[in-house]
Order: sequence, then C-alpha cells, then structure tokens
Amino acid sequence: DIQMTQSPSSLSASVGDRVTITCRASRDIGPYLAWYQQRPGKVPKVLIYTASTLQPGVPSRFSGSGSGTDFTLTISSLQPEDVATYYCQKHNSAPHTFGPGTKVETK
Amino acid sequence: QVQLVQSGTEVKKPGASVKVSCRTSGYIFINHGITWVRQAPGQGLEWMGWISPYNGQINYEPKFQGRFTMTTDTSTSTAYMELASLTSDDTGVYYCAKIDFGTPDDWGQGTLLTVSS
Repeated sequence: DIQMTQSPSSLSASVGDRVTITCRASRDIGPYLAWYQQRPGKVPKVLIYTASTLQPGVPSRFSGSGSGTDFTLTISSLQPEDVATYYCQKHNSAPHTFGPGTKVETK
Repeated sequence: QVQLVQSGTEVKKPGASVKVSCRTSGYIFINHGITWVRQAPGQGLEWMGWISPYNGQINYEPKFQGRFTMTTDTSTSTAYMELASLTSDDTGVYYCAKIDFGTPDDWGQGTLLTVSS
C-alpha cells in the first residue's frame, strides 16, 4: 500500500505569516490528494481536493499544489482561526490513506 | 441542508461487537458513497473503508478486513458500520462521511466508542 508522510509534524507561526505544509506519497498518486483541517475538538473539514481545487466556502488564503508524489498546502496569511491539525489524504484508489497530520499553532 | 447524524456513545467490553448508524438527509443517498474514518484519542485520522449505497461496492482498509462490516439501507438513507472482536485499541471516535469528488465533504458528528473491561 501507498504510505503518506507529512512535514513538519508541527509548526508555530505568527498571525500573517505564510505557512507551508508538505505531503509526500510513497508512489505516484497523480493529482488525487486532499487536505483537511481539524480544529481542536471539532469534526474534520475538507479544504482542497485533487491537489488544488478549493472546496466551496474555504477562504482563498488556502491553496494546494503538486502532483505525483509531492504536494503542498499553503496558508498565505495565517489567521488565529487557522490553529488546527492539517491532514493530507490520497483519494485515487483504496485504501484512502491519511497522512499523520501537521499541528499548526500561533506564536 | 446535508446532514449525517450518528448514533450515540458506546461502551463495550473486549471481544464484543459494536454497530454504529449514520442517518443521512438533504441529498440523494444512492448518489454518493459513504466512508468511515476513526480517530483514537490524541491521534490522527484513520481511513477504514468506503461503501457505495448505489451498487454495494465496498473497499476496506486491509487491517480491518475480516472484522469490519459496512452496510447501507436505502429505504431509510442510513449507513451502518459494525466492528467485531473489539480490543482497547479500537477505542476512539468513529466518523461517517459523505463522499463527493472522491473525498469526504460532509461528516457526521462522530460516535465515541470506549472498549474497556
């Protein structure tokens, strides 16, 4: 099965900073990569699918890029409400494995 | 609007089974797959499997195959998951979610399962 890794595992940034999270697949998954945000104590929420398509209603400060094995989630200007754990997930073929998550905090 | 409402908290003993329901509304049930995801306390998200209410097609995460069953009832737009031979490692929150464009876009509120003797 394809393994998903994320880096960093956690980060701390100031409000207004640009934040970048990386997700890597152990084999080519094409563009079939989604990103989720899970705020503390809340249900996960999809932000982006097929690597770069923004889910309706998601703020435009979130963007995704990549294809194949390397993908990136960028928050262009970190806001206090962005404090959360972010997960990537492959969604090309089963199993739809999640990455281990990246915890984002504010300084 | 789309809603997925899950059954309530469960407490089970090791070796027992649990069945969780996920009642959906606000969309055409057979048009979207249902996926199940679990989250152990303080841990990440773990994909368990996916079922199509349209044709019953199923994919399981291999580690759960054999003791994990997903079903749907199209007459009530409800999905079910059943997990058998429970151990303490199965403790966590179990989510159902509706699939769109290959990803879970609407989620249930989660069902907390505690496995303890």
